[in-house]
Amino acid sequence: GQQLNQSPQSMFIQEGEDVSMNCTSSSIFNTWLWYKQDPGEGPVLLIALYKAGELTSNGRLTAQFGITRKDSFLNISASIPSDVGIYFCAGGRFGSRLTFGEGTQLTVNP
Amino acid sequence: NAGVTQTPKFRVLKTGQSMTLLCAQDMNHEYMYWYRQDPGMGLRLIHYSVGEGTTAKGEVPDGYNVSRLKKQNFLLGLESAAPSQTSVYFCASREWESYEQYFGPGTRLTVT
Repeated sequence: GQQLNQSPQSMFIQEGEDVSMNCTSSSIFNTWLWYKQDPGEGPVLLIALYKAGELTSNGRLTAQFGITRKDSFLNISASIPSDVGIYFCAGGRFGSRLTFGEGTQLTVNP
Repeated sequence: NAGVTQTPKFRVLKTGQSMTLLCAQDMNHEYMYWYRQDPGMGLRLIHYSVGEGTTAKGEVPDGYNVSRLKKQNFLLGLESAAPSQTSVYFCASREWESYEQYFGPGTRLTVT
């Protein structure tokens, strides 16, 4: 079953605001991945993290691999309407399948 | 380079009917996966394959069968559809030494 706790479950924000979401686990992961799913589409990979403490950016998105290897964070700066969607975290462990969080539903009001 | 494609995009079945969902990838990936996505339950792994000719069960395999006769294709079969199999189905693939999975656009299945 699911081993990742992703929070918040949903967010309603105004355009221009910054967004933060996170995933935590009781287990250690070697990799953290962040995906975005647009309505009616499949998840798209946004950022991949491979080292504890690593901070990686992709445009207005920044993600961090927690130093304990048990958590990861995603920040979106200056949100825009097209940021609407579901954001998933996923943890990877050697020799094991990816474990997915249940997603954060983001709504951006213009 | 189309990535991961899925057919069909939508399907409505009656209880007891059978169907096959097709996933194709043109990235020469070794691993392929079938997930289902239901509201409030995230992505759940049905079956997966680590290479041509191999398959393995995931979290929720009951009621489904799979085949990987060619490296680029992964088929998901429902032998006797049930309303509980109403869901959105996603296929994904990845390279041998990477954790990064790439998803298809999904198949929306309704069983009445």
